[in-house]
Amino acid sequence: QKEVEQNSGPLSVPEGAIASLNCTYSDRGSQSFFWYRQYSGKSPELIMFIYSNGDKEDGRFTAQLNKASQYVSLLIRDSQPSDSATYLCAAFYNQGGKLIFGQGTELSVKP
Amino acid sequence: EAQVTQNPRYLITVTGKKLTVTCSQNMNHEYMSWYRQDPGLGLRQIYYSMNVEVTDKGDVPEGYKVSRKEKRNFPLILESPSPNQTSLYFCASAPDRGSYSPLHFGNGTRLTVT
Repeated sequence: QKEVEQNSGPLSVPEGAIASLNCTYSDRGSQSFFWYRQYSGKSPELIMFIYSNGDKEDGRFTAQLNKASQYVSLLIRDSQPSDSATYLCAAFYNQGGKLIFGQGTELSVKP
Repeated sequence: EAQVTQNPRYLITVTGKKLTVTCSQNMNHEYMSWYRQDPGLGLRQIYYSMNVEVTDKGDVPEGYKVSRKEKRNFPLILESPSPNQTSLYFCASAPDRGSYSPLHFGNGTRLTVT
């Protein structure tokens, strides 16, 4: 059973702080990982993807991948109330070409 | 504007009345997929299509049908809807099903079956 696990939250951080969102995956064969942001009732929108071990930065967002530990994280620096949303982690499994989503972590940024 | 368009956005129907949710993309993507999203269960794949005339079941295909007669369109058909199909549905597309192709999602269809 291929799984992607996330803490459902809610994760609450004060405005301006760093929000850290975590994700683990079960299949070592997974090659790439995606982070999506979803506002309530809206569609998921891609924030970034990562496929190499280490860090990948894009503006206030940093994705981190550790394939040995089967762990992916998303850091949001200088968190803003507009970052309040559910963050979905997804892992791509070559077998079947499937993108498996975690249940999402709800983030709340308090002014 | 590159987009995935779903219609309708909201739909209320009764048990057993056939319905179709349309999905169209203008990005010439080969891959298209349907998901349903339910509280506590996340996004679950219903059906997907690698290309025209090629469709396959996802994780929760029961009660659904799809077709891919043209590259841009991928309608979701519920022949006899039941209340357990009340959900938020998303259509998505990607250039291909390679590991580095992100999914682009439509705006969603909220379906209520009474």
